[in-house]
Amino acid sequence: KNQVEQSPQSLIILEGKNCTLQCNYTVSPFSNLRWYKQDTGRGPVSLTIMTFSENTKSNGRYTATLDADTKQSSLHITASQLSDSASYICVVTFLLTSGTYKYIFGTGTRLKVLA
Amino acid sequence: DGGITQSPKYLFRKEGQNVTLSCEQNLNHDAMYWYRQDPGQGLRLIYYSQIVNDFQKGDIAEGYSVSREKKESFPLTVTSAQKNPTAFYLCASRPGDRANYGYTFGSGTRLTVV
Repeated sequence: KNQVEQSPQSLIILEGKNCTLQCNYTVSPFSNLRWYKQDTGRGPVSLTIMTFSENTKSNGRYTATLDADTKQSSLHITASQLSDSASYICVVTFLLTSGTYKYIFGTGTRLKVLA
Repeated sequence: DGGITQSPKYLFRKEGQNVTLSCEQNLNHDAMYWYRQDPGQGLRLIYYSQIVNDFQKGDIAEGYSVSREKKESFPLTVTSAQKNPTAFYLCASRPGDRANYGYTFGSGTRLTVV
């Protein structure tokens, strides 16, 4: 069964600290993986996209890694800020036999950054 | 600025009523989507449309209906047949169906049954 699981479910850190969020998937055949940031009461916004051949990609203080062999991805946030408080969602894309793409959303990690 | 506009932001529905959620985009995107978000669950696809006058059921289409009469607009109707409609509804668009196209999401509509 194609699934995307994220951990931890929630996380609280102090401002200025680093943190790492995990995304494990069982999707096949894999096409790409995206990380989204969703502020409370808003729609998700894309942070990074990674394809099979990419191991790491950065977007400012956000760095995503991908291990396609173990089907794991992580999102590392450096020097956290209060504005990083949000839910972070992992989305995996795979190709159906019909030739169309399907997108599976993880349940997200809710991050709270405290002053 | 280009983007997706959802309205209203908050919506209250009485038992047995149909309600319609609006979604408009000015990004010239071909594909539009409706997702439902519940606490502790990933986004679930309700309906999607890849071209005007055509749409497909997603994973949880029962109790919902859509139309795509214009490229810019993709309204979602939550009918009385939807037994548990209280949720956060997100509309999204993409340029097309290529895998590397990301979603642009609206700000969502929170629907509550009263």
